[in-house]
Amino acid sequence: GAGVSQSPSNKVTEKGKDVELRCDPISGHTALYWYRQRLGQGLEFLIYFQGNSAPDKSGLPSDRFSAERTGESVSTLTIQRTQQEDSAVYLCASSPRQGSAQHFGDGTRLSIL
Amino acid sequence: QQQVKQSPQSLIVQKGGISIINCAYENTAFDYFPWYQQFPGKGPALLIAIRPDVSEKKEGRFTISFNKSAKQFSLHIMDSQPGDSATYFCAASNYQLIWGAGTKLIIKP
Repeated sequence: GAGVSQSPSNKVTEKGKDVELRCDPISGHTALYWYRQRLGQGLEFLIYFQGNSAPDKSGLPSDRFSAERTGESVSTLTIQRTQQEDSAVYLCASSPRQGSAQHFGDGTRLSIL
Repeated sequence: QQQVKQSPQSLIVQKGGISIINCAYENTAFDYFPWYQQFPGKGPALLIAIRPDVSEKKEGRFTISFNKSAKQFSLHIMDSQPGDSATYFCAASNYQLIWGAGTKLIIKP
């Protein structure tokens, strides 16, 4: 597709379970970002990948959160031992290069019961 | 110094009026200033962006005004329409986007 694709669009899981969220960036975009957006709030930066460089993990809120990206393709965000406060929309964005316009997917709405 | 301060937090404007959202920054190294529009259930979408070598950029009903000396920039929506009701985010970048907190805009018919 032409845009950033995220899956699943919705995920409901029980507290304590692990979840994996997927992002397919726009082809050719070297930069990929993950954000968290709580209801009615702004964007909270989580992690940033740029090509084959080491990722910027400075926004990850705890060691339960991790993310991987293979080359300049798909990225997965994993949340282990989910907590109710993890409930949010997780947004992925990609851009052609560092600092340029970011193109967003529609997010994964995560609900922890 | 990395913050971008956005105001107001929420805004109600009559149809046909002008909507104005303001942002301020501290880091003079920022060289790219985009505005994003977000509808419920959707990711933010780039609306309009400006670089600091110009003071104004207009695209249709949307205008960015940029004041380099004051380190402020603003989004003006002319002839505001109910379909413009959304949350608007400003951002600033030198190598990574720093986001404002967002403004929820409601246009009353």
